[in-house]
Amino acid sequence: TQTVSQSDAHVTVFEGDSVELRCNYSYGGSIYLSWYIQHHGHGLQFLLKYYSGNPVVQGVNGFEAEFSKSDSSFHLRKASVHWSDSAVYFCAVRGTGNTGKLIFGLGTTLQVQP
Amino acid sequence: EAAVTQSPRNKVTVTGGNVTLSCRQTNSHNYMYWYRQDTGHGLRLIHYSYGAGNLQIGDVPDGYKATRTTQEDFFLLLELASPSQTSLYFCASKTDANTEVFFGKGTRLTVV
Repeated sequence: TQTVSQSDAHVTVFEGDSVELRCNYSYGGSIYLSWYIQHHGHGLQFLLKYYSGNPVVQGVNGFEAEFSKSDSSFHLRKASVHWSDSAVYFCAVRGTGNTGKLIFGLGTTLQVQP
Repeated sequence: EAAVTQSPRNKVTVTGGNVTLSCRQTNSHNYMYWYRQDTGHGLRLIHYSYGAGNLQIGDVPDGYKATRTTQEDFFLLLELASPSQTSLYFCASKTDANTEVFFGKGTRLTVV
């Protein structure tokens, strides 16, 4: 059974700060991990994904994430946040088999203060 | 960019009422999904589909039916709505197992 854990419900930083949003997973087969962003009142939008190759993957708007098999982690990072990065961030793992089913974490609310 | 359109965007119904939520994607995506989003629970998968006529049960299917009438259209049916089904519902689609998921803007359903 796949599970996703996002240990921080809320993270608050200042504009220009770096940030890391944590994601830990468990899986029973081939790995597929992704991050999505949800601005208030909107649907989720894809940020980035990993399923093979270079464990550091680049996404939109300066986001990157690093896959670690040993730590069972896929943390999201950004070197310098902007107020517009304030949103809820969801980590997701694909279910077993080839269902395409995604299992989401509970989300981390990022608040960027001016 | 891929588009997923949900209707209605807001719906209020009474307990025991019959509700149909509609979703259309014009991206020729194979997979379509219905999720509900609730505070403290994140997104939970209700039903999903691999293609027209195909239906798969998700993680929280009780009280919901779904139909995939065409490649483009995926419906979620609540035949006897209950207050516990008050939620924000998202439809999503993707091409295959390793591609990104595209979400609709959501339907807010209130059951009074």
